[in-house]
Amino acid sequence: SQKIEQNSEALNIQEGKTATLTCNYTNYSPAYLQWYRQDPGRGPVFLLLIRENEKEKRKERLKVTFDTTLKQSLFHITASQPADSATYLCALSTGGGNKLTFGTGTQLKVEL
Amino acid sequence: DAGVTQSPTHLIKTRGQQVTLRCSPKSGHDTVSWYQQALGQGPQFIFQYYEEEERQRGNFPDRFSGHQFPNYSSELNVNALLLGDSALYLCASSFGGGGFITEAFFGQGTRLTVV
Repeated sequence: SQKIEQNSEALNIQEGKTATLTCNYTNYSPAYLQWYRQDPGRGPVFLLLIRENEKEKRKERLKVTFDTTLKQSLFHITASQPADSATYLCALSTGGGNKLTFGTGTQLKVEL
Repeated sequence: DAGVTQSPTHLIKTRGQQVTLRCSPKSGHDTVSWYQQALGQGPQFIFQYYEEEERQRGNFPDRFSGHQFPNYSSELNVNALLLGDSALYLCASSFGGGGFITEAFFGQGTRLTVV
């Protein structure tokens, strides 16, 4: 069956450290993988997109890697800040690319 | 530039009733997708509208229906509400002419509670 798995437990890290979140998928062949941030009671906000032929993408303090052999993406936030505390969702472009299939999300808490 | 707007923000309905949720996409976007997000879960794809037609549908019963208007705004209708329909309903707009969605813009959602 098709699955997208993210760490179900919350990730607690200290301010200034690098947070690393994992997204694993099975039985998909996505052309794109995207990461979104979601704050409580709000809609997700797009952060980064990486294509199947790209290994790594960066944007400011964010870095995403995509390994289509391992069927895994890693999402890194360097020099983390309390304001980075949120739930982070990975999403695959599936169904011909017309829809996004989301993981369950990982809650990140950055502590002072 | 207004982003994606949804109305209402909160709604309480009784089992068996019908509900209509509304979405105005971001300016310049032609594609609207609807998602249901239960507490602690990721958004689940309901369906997508492009050129006023339903292009793709997720695993949701026929009680869920929608519409897209010529100005690209959209409605989500749910009939015969069940307690399990309680969730955050998200509208996402994108531009792509029905092709790959490379970035979706989400509204703030409508929190539906069925009692």
